[in-house]
Amino acid sequence: DARVTQTPRDKVTEMGQEVTMRCQPILGHNTVFWYRQTMMQGLELLAYFRNRAPLDDSGMPKDRFSAEMPDATLATLKIQPSEPRDSAVYFCASGSGTGGTQHFGDGTRLSIL
Amino acid sequence: KQEVTQIPAALSVPEGENLVLNCSFTDSAIYNLQWFRQDPGKGLTSLLLIQSSQREQTSGRLNASLDKSSGRSTLYIAASQPGDSATYLCDVGGSQGNLIFGKGTKLSVKP
Repeated sequence: DARVTQTPRDKVTEMGQEVTMRCQPILGHNTVFWYRQTMMQGLELLAYFRNRAPLDDSGMPKDRFSAEMPDATLATLKIQPSEPRDSAVYFCASGSGTGGTQHFGDGTRLSIL
Repeated sequence: KQEVTQIPAALSVPEGENLVLNCSFTDSAIYNLQWFRQDPGKGLTSLLLIQSSQREQTSGRLNASLDKSSGRSTLYIAASQPGDSATYLCDVGGSQGNLIFGKGTKLSVKP
């Protein structure tokens, strides 16, 4: 079965450090989403791309977060500098077309000490 | 601003029971609505996707309905099984690609 792959699975680091999360979307999917999930806020959309172009990143704190797609097989989400309030599970999802089913990775569990 | 609410937050039922999960949204101008299942420590698995022009979708023991005018969707699970225990989330998609999730209903099916 094709699946979305996220690395690392878990990340623990100290505040102020740079964090990079990676996502390999399903081959052939042209839409990639980044979400953050916390107990308090639930699942929030941070950014999404279509055909590697950013379409919406309004959910992302611009001063410290950045999302890119260097190529069709890799999406990255960076936090610099990281803060304890960034602790959450970050999910990547991919899909094809507009309004189609999203396929989720297993997430990166991030803890900022 | 679109808001998505799922009630109840948690539900416990005995095995074999039929049940309904609810999802409500404030803006009826939606593109589609999707129901997901999330197991502990895992990502989300898509169960059913309903386009705005559709009224319902079915897959096995699951049936999802959509009533845009009233801002509601329901997920019906027939003959529940312990393996159905998970958190169920609905996601409302807007025409601009904005995607809003509810906070989910945690379902526990007791043997």
